[in-house]
Amino acid sequence: QVQLVQSGAEVKKPGASVKVSCKAAGYTFTDYYIHWVRQAPGQGLEWMGRIYGKSGGTNYGQKFQGRVTMTRDMSITTAYMELSRLRSDDTAVYYCARSMVRGVTPFDYWGQGTLVIVSS
Amino acid sequence: DIQMTQSPSSLSTSVGDRVTITCRASQSISTYLNWYQQKPGTAPKLLIYAASSLQSGVPSRFSGSGSGTDFTLTISSLQPEDFATYYCQQSFSIPRTFGQGTKLEIK
Repeated sequence: QVQLVQSGAEVKKPGASVKVSCKAAGYTFTDYYIHWVRQAPGQGLEWMGRIYGKSGGTNYGQKFQGRVTMTRDMSITTAYMELSRLRSDDTAVYYCARSMVRGVTPFDYWGQGTLVIVSS
Repeated sequence: DIQMTQSPSSLSTSVGDRVTITCRASQSISTYLNWYQQKPGTAPKLLIYAASSLQSGVPSRFSGSGSGTDFTLTISSLQPEDFATYYCQQSFSIPRTFGQGTKLEIK
């Protein structure tokens, strides 16, 4: 069965970086995108960007350009999202989700979420 | 960026009610519209994709319609497990964008 399993919660200081992992299983990793979506406490869903499993090509939301880096390791079917220069308003649950490459491409499977707390 | 606007933001409703949530896109997105359900402390779950296609395993009381800029999610007879927050999302273009959410609350 399809599973996306994320790394555990993190507590970081302002200005630091965080790297969250998303281990994919149960499907062909290179046939899908992995997207990253975050949700601040009590707020809605915000798309951060995506990475293509096959090529590693990325698209980032403008808000995160210059601060986010998405990578993947095909050998262990894992995607990573690194966010740098953390601020308190980066405190959120970060989700990975997969989508197909062509067609309507909904996010049909999601990871369980990773809480990142940014606090001095 | 394509803006997605949902209404209402919240809705006080009862078990057995018929519920309709609307989602409007700032430009035409054909049927590149998806609906998700989120319960507290859990990841969103895909309900409807391509505006009207029911995701496998989702109860048939959920349905979606629309094309272009105006879309609706309908729950034909609300069940206790349906009290949650619902989001629309466009997959027409990058960046992907979500509506602000509609929270269904028990009356």
